[in-house]
This record gives sequence, structure tokens and C-alpha cells, in this order.
Amino acid sequence: QKEVEQNSGPLSVPEGAIASLNCTYSDRGSQSFFWYRQYSGKSPELIMSIYSNGDKEDGRFTAQLNKASQYVSLLIRDSQPSDSATYLCAVDGNTGKLIFGQGTTLQVKP
Amino acid sequence: GAVVSQHPSWVICKSGTSVKIECRSLDFQATTMFWYRQFPKQSLMLMATSNEGSKATYEQGVEKDKFLINHASLTLSTLTVTSAHPEDSSFYICSAKVGGFYNEQFFGPGTRLTVL
Repeated sequence: QKEVEQNSGPLSVPEGAIASLNCTYSDRGSQSFFWYRQYSGKSPELIMSIYSNGDKEDGRFTAQLNKASQYVSLLIRDSQPSDSATYLCAVDGNTGKLIFGQGTTLQVKP
Repeated sequence: GAVVSQHPSWVICKSGTSVKIECRSLDFQATTMFWYRQFPKQSLMLMATSNEGSKATYEQGVEKDKFLINHASLTLSTLTVTSAHPEDSSFYICSAKVGGFYNEQFFGPGTRLTVL
């Protein structure tokens, strides 16, 4: 059973801090990794994709991938209350389907 | 990113009726679309994979005769919930896969179905 694991949280950080979200996956053959943000009552929104080991930065977001450790993370710098949402880690299981983690709820407190 | 639309955004129907939900990729062609269901405070549950021009592939436990999927063109997939019952009330979300090596998926805004 291919799995993606996330801490459900909630992860609470003060405004302006760095939020660190983590995800592990079981399938070593996975090639593509994604972070989605989902606000309550809304559908998921793709915010980061990463395919190679190392860091990928986009604005306040940095995705980190370590295939040897089967670990992917998302850092959010200068966290804002508007970043409060559930963050879903998704892994392409090489079947064309995404395998989602349960999501981590982030709360950014003013 | 690529844009995916869904219609309707919400629907209320009586038990026993059928409801059709449309999913469209607006600015790209999607040979593969996916249908998910999400109950409150739970993660996404993949229902089926929809491939243009062929039969949908359903996940284990999903009734293919109850959830009819048609992917008649490269920009449109439909999900019909037949003989809906209150337990079918949920948030239904489609996604479309952009072609290429990395297979990013973009989600539609979702359809909230309430069956009375």
C-alpha cells in the first residue's frame, strides 16, 4: 500500500514566522511531488511542484525534496493569517494518480 | 496555472433523482480527468479516473452504476449521480491532468451536493 503521511496538526505559528510542513512517502519510485493548499469549504489549489532533490523556491514558499529519505517539506516564510488553511502533500504514484496525505492544518495567529 | 471549471457549484435535490456535474478544462486539453469526493473534515477520496474516449476506471468500493462518468471530449468530463440518496451528499471535486512528464493536476472549484 503506497502511503503519504502528514502530521494532521494543527500547526500554529505567529504571524511573520516560518511555518514548516512535513511529509513522508513510502514509494521509492515516486517522481513527482506536489503541495496543495485547501481553504475550508474550497477545493485544493496547487502551490508547489517539485521533482528533483533539493530546494525549489517560489515567493514565500520553498519546497524541499530528499528522495533518499523519502521526505518532502514546505516552508512558508513570513506567514500571514491568510495562509491559514489545510496543506495537502501529494505524490504521483507512477500510475497517473495522485496519492494524498491527510493534510496538515496551519493556523497563523495575528 | 491551468483553469478547470465545474458546474453547478452547488445543487440540492430530492432523494431518488439524478444529478449531473460537469467538469471542463478551459485553457488546455485534458486526456485524463479525475473525480474526487470529500466529506467534512476528511481528506480527498479518489472515486474514478476518466480518460477521453474510453471507459472510466473506478476505485475499489465505488459503484460504477451509481456514479456514471463520461469523458466525451478533451475538455469535458461529466459525473452523474444516479438515484441520489442523502448519504451521497458530499463535496465532489474534479481535477484535470496537464500533459507532459510531470503530470500536474489542477482542481475545479467543486460541487456541493445536498440530497434531501
